[in-house]
Amino acid sequence: AQSVTQLDSQVPVFEEAPVELRCNYSSSVSVYLFWYVQYPNQGLQLLLKYLSGSTLVKGINGFEAEFNKSQTSFHLRKPSVHISDTAEYFCAVGRRALTFGSGTRLQVQP
Amino acid sequence: NAGVTQTPKFQVLKTGQSMTLQCAQDMNHEYMSWYRQDPGMGLRLIHYSVGAGITDQGEVPNGYNVSRSTTEDFPLRLLSAAPSQTSVYFCASTTQGGTEAFFGQGTRLTVV
Repeated sequence: AQSVTQLDSQVPVFEEAPVELRCNYSSSVSVYLFWYVQYPNQGLQLLLKYLSGSTLVKGINGFEAEFNKSQTSFHLRKPSVHISDTAEYFCAVGRRALTFGSGTRLQVQP
Repeated sequence: NAGVTQTPKFQVLKTGQSMTLQCAQDMNHEYMSWYRQDPGMGLRLIHYSVGAGITDQGEVPNGYNVSRSTTEDFPLRLLSAAPSQTSVYFCASTTQGGTEAFFGQGTRLTVV
């Protein structure tokens, strides 16, 4: 069994500020870790993924995430956000069948 | 290369009606799955298939049926729609090793 907890349902942040979206997971087996972004009324787009190897993963649009096995975390970070980053972000774990967190709504304010 | 195509994009049903949500992929993936998205709950797995002729239940299968007669298509059937099935439905197609899932644009279903 596996589960994902996204600790913040909403994160307001000013433009050009850094942001961290938190994700903790549990799994009895080795899994892959993913972050997806969903813009309003659209499908899910893959931001980045951790499969193995280096624990720091870089994705699209300047996002990165760090896999921490001891803390079972996979937090998403961006050093400077833009208005266009306003969206909902989902952390997911699994292989083929994914278990999603409840999502974090990032609200970037001017 | 269209990826994952879902139809229709929007649908309104009356309670008790039946319908089929269509999903097709052109990436030759064996693994396909259906999720529903509800506010504050993320996406939850309904059914999945590991290849033609093989399907299994996910976390929330009640009220839904699936079949997989070809690699490309994975339709989701609602036999008797209920208001609790009002949701946004996503179909996904996943690479062989499970390293990436590709999602369709979703079907927004309202049951009145």
